[in-house]
Amino acid sequence: SQQGEEDPQALSIQEGENATMNCSYKTSINNLQWYRQNSGRGLVHLILIRSNEREKHSGRLRVTLDTSKKSSSLLITASRAADTASYFCATDAFDDYKLSFGAGTTVTVRA
Amino acid sequence: DTGVSQDPRHKITKRGQNVTFRCDPISEHNRLYWYRQTLGQGPEFLTYFQNEAQLEKSRLLSDRFSAERPKGSFSTLEIQRTEQGDSAMYLCASSLTGGDYEQYFGPGTRLTVT
Repeated sequence: SQQGEEDPQALSIQEGENATMNCSYKTSINNLQWYRQNSGRGLVHLILIRSNEREKHSGRLRVTLDTSKKSSSLLITASRAADTASYFCATDAFDDYKLSFGAGTTVTVRA
Repeated sequence: DTGVSQDPRHKITKRGQNVTFRCDPISEHNRLYWYRQTLGQGPEFLTYFQNEAQLEKSRLLSDRFSAERPKGSFSTLEIQRTEQGDSAMYLCASSLTGGDYEQYFGPGTRLTVT
């Protein structure tokens, strides 16, 4: 079953703009991870944020986590055409290592 | 550092045939996971191994599916008597042991059952 839900389902932006997508989940988590998937390819790991962390940065990526609202956001700054992909959040629970994914946000960056 | 590899990358088979996929994890990773992804959806968990022990199986893994990791290194996923509903991308991931480690995914095997 899918634990996470990304919002919006699809996002179209101009190159250079920022892209923000949100993830909500239902049950308590240990970690939340964000992945990128280019069409028909495997998933690329972007960032992991632990349940006791509130914000994390990696290059042009910023992830926030609000466990009280059971939600996370991924911000991609200064987007590029190469950022065009589907983005998924995935959660795991304490002592339960399998990942539960949402349906993803499809991001299109227009040149 | 080689990543997770999967073979084959694409498989077309006729309904009723058996298929087997292979996954080679990152060498020092003792956890190995299988997921299935259908079009427009996120991956869904199928099963996972710690070393050679299969520790959890999803209800999605019917009795036509079997997975092995005989020496705690590579893993195979076999589907017997394939059905059209088995058409999907089969993804393998691996990680270190422990609660806070990232799972790294392979490129996937795309199965089409005709």
